[in-house]
Amino acid sequence: GENVEQHPSTLSVQEGDSAVIKCTYSDSASNYFPWYKQELGKRPQLIIDIRSNVGEKKDQRIAVTLNKTAKHFSLHITETQPEDSAVYFCAAGSFGNEKLTFGTGTRLTIIP
Amino acid sequence: GAGVSQSPSNKVTEKGKDVELRCDPISGHTALYWYRQSLGQGLEFLIYFQGNSAPDKSGLPSDRFSAERTGGSVSTLTIQRTQQEDSAVYLCASSFRQGRWEQFFGPGTRLTVL
Repeated sequence: GENVEQHPSTLSVQEGDSAVIKCTYSDSASNYFPWYKQELGKRPQLIIDIRSNVGEKKDQRIAVTLNKTAKHFSLHITETQPEDSAVYFCAAGSFGNEKLTFGTGTRLTIIP
Repeated sequence: GAGVSQSPSNKVTEKGKDVELRCDPISGHTALYWYRQSLGQGLEFLIYFQGNSAPDKSGLPSDRFSAERTGGSVSTLTIQRTQQEDSAVYLCASSFRQGRWEQFFGPGTRLTVL
């Protein structure tokens, strides 16, 4: 089955700086890669996703990049703000099998 | 509209007792998932229901865990003879198939086994 590894487990950045979280996956059949954000005490929510037919996707201050050859994908947050503090989970799945395999999460702390 | 709901929000039980956790998915969502999240840990997949297909039970940690989904809607996760290591937040999520992947999570049930 799929195995997703996520790094780092914790990350602290100064407000206004950029944050990068990286994930690798093992199953070359995976073709869908979402990122979920879980604020303290709240439920995970989808913030951005990418499909394997594109290499990069942006949505305002967040972007995701995908390298299919290397089987890794990354989340980039620019101009970080205090409200970006949360746990971020990457995941991988394949069309026709809607089960997602999640990474172990990255706790991002934005330092004011 | 209404999101995914779960009940109870908190459950404290004694070791050895059975517990039932309930999930009400978003109306019309055909896929339903159960995850376990231990303190400070990731999302551990437990079981997945899709329409009338046989559920994917590959994530259930032991035969003390089981789940049902009645009428393609409400789901119940049952843990028999609870152990202290079962203490965690149990999250349910649902999604609408046919190419729409986003999983919508419920608020979770925090289970504490004393």
